[in-house]
Amino acid sequence: DTGVSQNPRHKITKRGQNVTFRCDPISEHNRLYWYRQTLGQGPEFLTYFQNEAQLEKSRLLSDRFSAERPKGSFSTLEIQRTEQGDSAMYLCASSFRDSSSYEQYFGPGTRLTVT
Amino acid sequence: AQTVTQSQPEMSVQEAETVTLSCTYDTSESDYYLFWYKQPPSRQMILVIRQEAYKQQNATENRFSVNFQKAAKSFSLKISDSQLGDAAMYFCAYRRGGGGATNKLIFGTGTLLAVQP
Repeated sequence: DTGVSQNPRHKITKRGQNVTFRCDPISEHNRLYWYRQTLGQGPEFLTYFQNEAQLEKSRLLSDRFSAERPKGSFSTLEIQRTEQGDSAMYLCASSFRDSSSYEQYFGPGTRLTVT
Repeated sequence: AQTVTQSQPEMSVQEAETVTLSCTYDTSESDYYLFWYKQPPSRQMILVIRQEAYKQQNATENRFSVNFQKAAKSFSLKISDSQLGDAAMYFCAYRRGGGGATNKLIFGTGTLLAVQP
C-alpha cells in the first residue's frame, strides 16, 4: 500500500499527558498537511510543510502543539499537556507540488480521546 | 476569509436514484479550486471530483457530476444511479489557486448521505 499512513490509529490518554502522532506521506509528495476534525464538523487546517519547512500554522495550533517534518519525509504532531478539548480525529494529507491541482491524499487519521 | 457552507446535514436516496448535494462558498479570489470529498464510515477521505474555477464546463466523473455556478458561488454534487457504496459523509472543500498559495483546504460541515436499498 503506497498511500498516506498514520500511526497510531487510536490513542486514549489522560488529561495533562503528552502525545505524539506520526504521518508517512506518499513517498514522492513534498507537501504535507495536518488537519483536525471534531465530531460533526469538517476538517480544519492546522499546519503545512513544504519539504522540511513548516510554512503555515493555523491559529488553532496553540503553543501546546508542535509539528515537525525532519528531512522532508515523515511528520510528527505532538500535543503537550493534553486537554479534553483536544479530543478529535487528526488527519494528515500529502500532495505533489508539480501536479496541476496539488490534489491532497488523506491518511486514515489518528483518533485522540482525552479522558 | 473564505467560507464553505453545506446546508444539508443529512440526505437520503433510494438505490439507483439520483441525489444532489448542495454547497455554497464565499471568496474574493478569482483563482481557486472546488472539491467534493467522500468520507465513508471509519475510512479515509477520498477525492470524488474537482472543479477548476476558470473552467466553465462542469466536471464529470462517471456517476458523479457537479453544477458549478460561479456567479452564484454554488457548487452542487449530483450522484446518479446511487449505489449502497455511496453511503458516506460528503464534504465540499475550497482551495485557493496559484503557485504561491498554501493550498490548504477549507471544508464545509458535511452532508451525511444514506442510500436505501
